[in-house]
Amino acid sequence: SAVISQKPSRDICQRGTSLTIQCQVDSQVTMMFWYRQQPGQSLTLIATANQGSEATYESGFVIDKFPISRPNLTFSTLTVSNMSPEDSSIYLCSIQGENTGELFFGEGSRLTVL
Amino acid sequence: QKEVEQNSGPLSVPEGAIASLNCTYSDRGSQSFFWYRQYSGKSPELIMFIYSNGDKEDGRFTAQLNKASQYVSLLIRDSQPSDSATYLCAVMDSSYKLIFGSGTRLLVRP
Repeated sequence: SAVISQKPSRDICQRGTSLTIQCQVDSQVTMMFWYRQQPGQSLTLIATANQGSEATYESGFVIDKFPISRPNLTFSTLTVSNMSPEDSSIYLCSIQGENTGELFFGEGSRLTVL
Repeated sequence: QKEVEQNSGPLSVPEGAIASLNCTYSDRGSQSFFWYRQYSGKSPELIMFIYSNGDKEDGRFTAQLNKASQYVSLLIRDSQPSDSATYLCAVMDSSYKLIFGSGTRLLVRP
Protein backbone atom coordinates (compact mmCIF):
# COMPACT_ATOMS: atom_id res chain seq x y z
CA SER A 1 0.00 0.00 0.00
CA ALA A 2 1.02 3.61 -0.48
CA VAL A 3 3.12 5.46 2.05
CA ILE A 4 1.47 8.64 3.34
CA SER A 5 3.70 11.16 5.10
CA GLN A 6 2.45 14.15 7.05
CA LYS A 7 4.30 17.13 8.43
CA PRO A 8 4.39 18.38 11.09
CA SER A 9 3.64 15.40 13.31
CA ARG A 10 2.77 17.75 16.13
CA ASP A 11 2.86 21.43 16.92
CA ILE A 12 1.87 23.86 19.62
CA CYS A 13 0.37 27.04 18.24
CA GLN A 14 -0.78 30.36 19.56
CA ARG A 15 -4.35 31.52 19.27
CA GLY A 16 -4.98 33.56 16.12
CA THR A 17 -2.16 32.07 14.09
CA SER A 18 -2.39 29.73 11.12
CA LEU A 19 -0.63 26.45 10.43
CA THR A 20 -0.22 24.50 7.22
CA ILE A 21 -0.08 20.71 7.29
CA GLN A 22 1.55 18.88 4.42
CA CYS A 23 0.65 15.46 3.09
CA GLN A 24 2.86 13.56 0.65
CA VAL A 25 1.94 10.24 -0.95
CA ASP A 26 4.48 8.03 -2.68
CA SER A 27 2.11 7.27 -5.56
CA GLN A 28 -0.36 9.23 -7.65
CA VAL A 29 -3.89 9.34 -6.27
CA THR A 30 -6.99 11.03 -7.58
CA MET A 31 -8.57 12.01 -4.31
CA MET A 32 -7.08 12.90 -0.97
CA PHE A 33 -9.17 13.35 2.14
CA TRP A 34 -8.61 15.47 5.21
CA TYR A 35 -10.10 14.34 8.51
CA ARG A 36 -10.14 15.85 11.97
CA GLN A 37 -10.17 13.88 15.20
CA GLN A 38 -10.89 16.01 18.24
CA PRO A 39 -9.85 14.69 21.66
CA GLY A 40 -11.89 11.63 22.58
CA GLN A 41 -13.93 11.88 19.42
CA SER A 42 -14.17 10.04 16.17
CA LEU A 43 -12.97 11.09 12.75
CA THR A 44 -14.84 13.80 10.91
CA LEU A 45 -14.31 14.46 7.23
CA ILE A 46 -13.29 18.06 6.58
CA ALA A 47 -12.95 18.01 2.82
CA THR A 48 -12.04 16.04 -0.27
CA ALA A 49 -9.16 17.36 -2.35
CA ASN A 50 -9.04 16.64 -6.07
CA GLN A 51 -6.12 17.68 -8.19
CA GLY A 52 -6.95 20.56 -10.48
CA SER A 53 -10.19 21.59 -8.83
CA GLU A 54 -11.46 23.24 -5.69
CA ALA A 55 -11.75 21.07 -2.62
CA THR A 56 -15.19 19.88 -1.63
CA TYR A 57 -16.01 20.78 1.97
CA GLU A 58 -18.34 18.95 4.32
CA SER A 59 -21.08 20.64 6.26
CA GLY A 60 -19.63 22.74 9.05
CA PHE A 61 -16.28 23.32 7.36
CA VAL A 62 -15.47 26.32 5.18
CA ILE A 63 -12.65 27.23 2.84
CA ASP A 64 -11.76 30.41 4.72
CA LYS A 65 -11.04 28.42 7.86
CA PHE A 66 -9.51 25.33 6.22
CA PRO A 67 -8.01 26.27 2.85
CA ILE A 68 -6.68 23.27 0.96
CA SER A 69 -4.23 23.04 -1.91
CA ARG A 70 -3.77 20.10 -4.25
CA PRO A 71 -1.07 21.10 -6.73
CA ASN A 72 -0.40 17.60 -8.06
CA LEU A 73 -1.43 13.97 -7.70
CA THR A 74 0.93 13.20 -4.81
CA PHE A 75 0.68 16.22 -2.54
CA SER A 76 -1.84 18.28 -0.61
CA THR A 77 -1.85 20.85 2.16
CA LEU A 78 -4.45 21.79 4.74
CA THR A 79 -4.20 25.13 6.50
CA VAL A 80 -5.93 25.73 9.80
CA SER A 81 -6.50 29.47 9.88
CA ASN A 82 -6.94 31.88 12.77
CA MET A 83 -6.70 29.05 15.25
CA SER A 84 -8.55 28.86 18.54
CA PRO A 85 -8.25 26.25 21.30
CA GLU A 86 -11.26 24.46 19.77
CA ASP A 87 -9.04 23.64 16.78
CA SER A 88 -6.82 21.46 18.97
CA SER A 89 -7.13 18.13 17.21
CA ILE A 90 -5.38 15.50 15.23
CA TYR A 91 -5.58 16.22 11.52
CA LEU A 92 -5.31 13.22 9.25
CA CYS A 93 -4.64 12.94 5.56
CA SER A 94 -5.99 9.87 3.84
CA ILE A 95 -6.27 8.18 0.48
CA GLN A 96 -8.64 5.59 -0.84
CA GLY A 97 -7.63 2.01 -1.52
CA GLU A 98 -8.38 0.10 -4.66
CA ASN A 99 -10.72 -2.52 -3.24
CA THR A 100 -13.96 -1.29 -1.77
CA GLY A 101 -13.15 2.28 -0.88
CA GLU A 102 -11.18 1.63 2.27
CA LEU A 103 -9.15 4.56 3.55
CA PHE A 104 -5.50 4.59 4.50
CA PHE A 105 -4.23 7.29 6.79
CA GLY A 106 -1.09 9.25 7.30
CA GLU A 107 0.47 9.39 10.75
CA GLY A 108 -1.55 12.46 11.66
CA SER A 109 -0.65 15.95 12.79
CA ARG A 110 -1.46 16.71 16.41
CA LEU A 111 -2.16 20.40 16.92
CA THR A 112 -2.47 22.05 20.30
CA VAL A 113 -3.69 25.64 20.32
CA LEU A 114 -3.01 27.70 23.42
CA GLN B 1 -28.09 12.80 9.62
CA LYS B 2 -26.21 9.62 8.90
CA GLU B 3 -24.91 8.03 12.07
CA VAL B 4 -22.66 5.22 13.13
CA GLU B 5 -23.05 4.20 16.75
CA GLN B 6 -20.62 2.33 18.96
CA ASN B 7 -20.44 1.74 22.67
CA SER B 8 -17.51 3.79 23.91
CA GLY B 9 -16.47 1.17 26.47
CA PRO B 10 -14.05 0.38 27.81
CA LEU B 11 -14.70 -3.25 27.08
CA SER B 12 -12.46 -5.28 29.34
CA VAL B 13 -11.73 -8.93 28.59
CA PRO B 14 -9.15 -11.36 29.95
CA GLU B 15 -6.32 -12.54 27.76
CA GLY B 16 -7.40 -15.46 25.59
CA ALA B 17 -11.08 -14.53 25.63
CA ILE B 18 -13.26 -13.45 22.72
CA ALA B 19 -13.84 -9.74 22.44
CA SER B 20 -17.06 -8.69 20.73
CA LEU B 21 -17.36 -5.18 19.36
CA ASN B 22 -20.62 -3.88 17.97
CA CYS B 23 -21.72 -1.13 15.63
CA THR B 24 -25.05 0.07 14.26
CA TYR B 25 -25.62 2.46 11.39
CA SER B 26 -28.52 4.55 10.17
CA ASP B 27 -28.08 4.73 6.38
CA ARG B 28 -29.83 1.77 4.78
CA GLY B 29 -28.04 2.59 1.53
CA SER B 30 -24.66 1.73 3.04
CA GLN B 31 -22.82 -0.97 1.16
CA SER B 32 -19.35 -1.34 2.64
CA PHE B 33 -18.25 -1.59 6.23
CA PHE B 34 -14.83 -1.29 7.78
CA TRP B 35 -13.12 -1.92 11.08
CA TYR B 36 -10.10 0.12 12.06
CA ARG B 37 -7.83 -0.23 15.05
CA GLN B 38 -6.30 2.88 16.59
CA TYR B 39 -3.61 2.72 19.21
CA SER B 40 -3.26 5.72 21.49
CA GLY B 41 -1.39 8.50 19.73
CA LYS B 42 -1.44 6.70 16.40
CA SER B 43 -3.53 6.94 13.27
CA PRO B 44 -6.22 4.36 12.44
CA GLU B 45 -5.17 1.21 10.62
CA LEU B 46 -7.53 -0.95 8.62
CA ILE B 47 -8.23 -4.38 10.08
CA MET B 48 -10.81 -5.65 7.64
CA PHE B 49 -13.81 -4.78 5.55
CA ILE B 50 -17.05 -6.57 4.77
CA TYR B 51 -19.83 -5.88 2.28
CA SER B 52 -21.90 -9.07 2.18
CA ASN B 53 -24.27 -10.30 4.84
CA GLY B 54 -22.77 -12.98 7.02
CA ASP B 55 -19.33 -13.60 8.42
CA LYS B 56 -15.89 -12.84 7.10
CA GLU B 57 -12.87 -14.29 8.84
CA ASP B 58 -9.27 -13.12 8.75
CA GLY B 59 -6.99 -14.80 11.24
CA ARG B 60 -8.22 -14.06 14.76
CA PHE B 61 -10.70 -11.49 13.47
CA THR B 62 -14.24 -12.13 12.26
CA ALA B 63 -16.49 -9.41 10.93
CA GLN B 64 -20.22 -10.01 10.93
CA LEU B 65 -22.74 -8.04 8.91
CA ASN B 66 -26.52 -7.98 9.11
CA LYS B 67 -27.88 -5.36 6.73
CA ALA B 68 -31.51 -6.00 7.69
CA SER B 69 -30.70 -5.07 11.27
CA GLN B 70 -28.15 -2.42 10.21
CA TYR B 71 -25.61 -4.04 12.45
CA VAL B 72 -21.96 -4.92 12.03
CA SER B 73 -19.68 -6.51 14.58
CA LEU B 74 -16.07 -7.54 15.05
CA LEU B 75 -15.02 -10.59 17.02
CA ILE B 76 -11.46 -10.96 18.19
CA ARG B 77 -10.60 -14.49 19.24
CA ASP B 78 -7.78 -15.35 21.64
CA SER B 79 -7.49 -11.69 22.66
CA GLN B 80 -4.00 -10.49 23.46
CA PRO B 81 -2.86 -7.48 25.50
CA SER B 82 -1.50 -6.07 22.22
CA ASP B 83 -5.10 -5.92 20.98
CA SER B 84 -5.82 -3.20 23.55
CA ALA B 85 -6.76 -0.21 21.43
CA THR B 86 -9.76 1.75 20.22
CA TYR B 87 -11.72 0.04 17.47
CA LEU B 88 -13.47 2.27 14.97
CA CYS B 89 -16.38 1.14 12.86
CA ALA B 90 -16.71 2.95 9.53
CA VAL B 91 -19.56 2.80 7.06
CA MET B 92 -19.49 3.88 3.45
CA ASP B 93 -22.68 5.77 2.88
CA SER B 94 -24.70 6.05 -0.29
CA SER B 95 -22.52 8.97 -1.43
CA TYR B 96 -19.36 6.84 -1.04
CA LYS B 97 -18.06 8.71 1.99
CA LEU B 98 -16.77 6.94 5.08
CA ILE B 99 -18.66 7.79 8.25
CA PHE B 100 -16.87 6.78 11.42
CA GLY B 101 -18.27 5.75 14.76
CA SER B 102 -16.81 7.18 17.92
CA GLY B 103 -14.96 3.95 18.67
CA THR B 104 -14.93 1.30 21.37
CA ARG B 105 -11.97 1.12 23.68
CA LEU B 106 -10.86 -2.46 24.27
CA LEU B 107 -8.71 -3.48 27.22
CA VAL B 108 -7.27 -6.99 27.29
CA ARG B 109 -6.14 -7.94 30.79
CA PRO B 110 -3.06 -10.18 31.05
